[in-house]
Amino acid sequence: GAVVSQHPSRVICKSGTSVKIECRSLDFQATTMFWYRQFPKQSLMLMATSNEGSKATYEQGVEKDKFLINHASLTLSTLTVTSAHPEDSSFYICSAGLPGPRNTIYFGEGSWLTVV
Amino acid sequence: ILNVEQSPQSLHVQEGDSTNFTCSFPSSNFYALHWYRWETAKSPEALFVMTLNGDEKKKGRISATLNTKEGYSYLYIKGSQPEDSATYLCALNRDDKIIFGKGTRLHILP
Repeated sequence: GAVVSQHPSRVICKSGTSVKIECRSLDFQATTMFWYRQFPKQSLMLMATSNEGSKATYEQGVEKDKFLINHASLTLSTLTVTSAHPEDSSFYICSAGLPGPRNTIYFGEGSWLTVV
Repeated sequence: ILNVEQSPQSLHVQEGDSTNFTCSFPSSNFYALHWYRWETAKSPEALFVMTLNGDEKKKGRISATLNTKEGYSYLYIKGSQPEDSATYLCALNRDDKIIFGKGTRLHILP
């Protein structure tokens, strides 16, 4: 069964509105979660690292005021796309677990966001 | 810029045939290489984590090799089956981040 759950799997929102995507670790506590975005025919691109109890670390070029990340508990991280624009339409996916040679990274199922 | 390159981008293989594809990455400061299998509408599934030059790992009909000195990894599938149809992602683990390639999309033809 899934160890990381992501919700919603698909969402359509109007331009200018905000949408929240949740990422939950089901079987373990995740102090660190990662948020990725994938545009068509492109790689999964790391957006930010979500740290429980502290501010997220954003990758270069990712607007922290637009993509709000909250990691308030050891099992839940949320990504809120604020004032969404059509160019924010993309596939967003989270992962949990620390990278490392002995660690497995678990992914959520991903969320398709369409901004109209 | 750290690039992880996968080739080919797409591959059609007859059921029962064997196949392989490549992941290339910068060889400096290597830490670990991950292979994932990603079926549509599902979460990416971890296949292998490889760390040592010359590593060879196997899971059923799927195996992978690693050459850290020249910066490449091969994924092999023996006797392809319809359920092998998926996108295979490789990712380089460096500096506590994982950088993904674009994936190889594998189609198994009946």
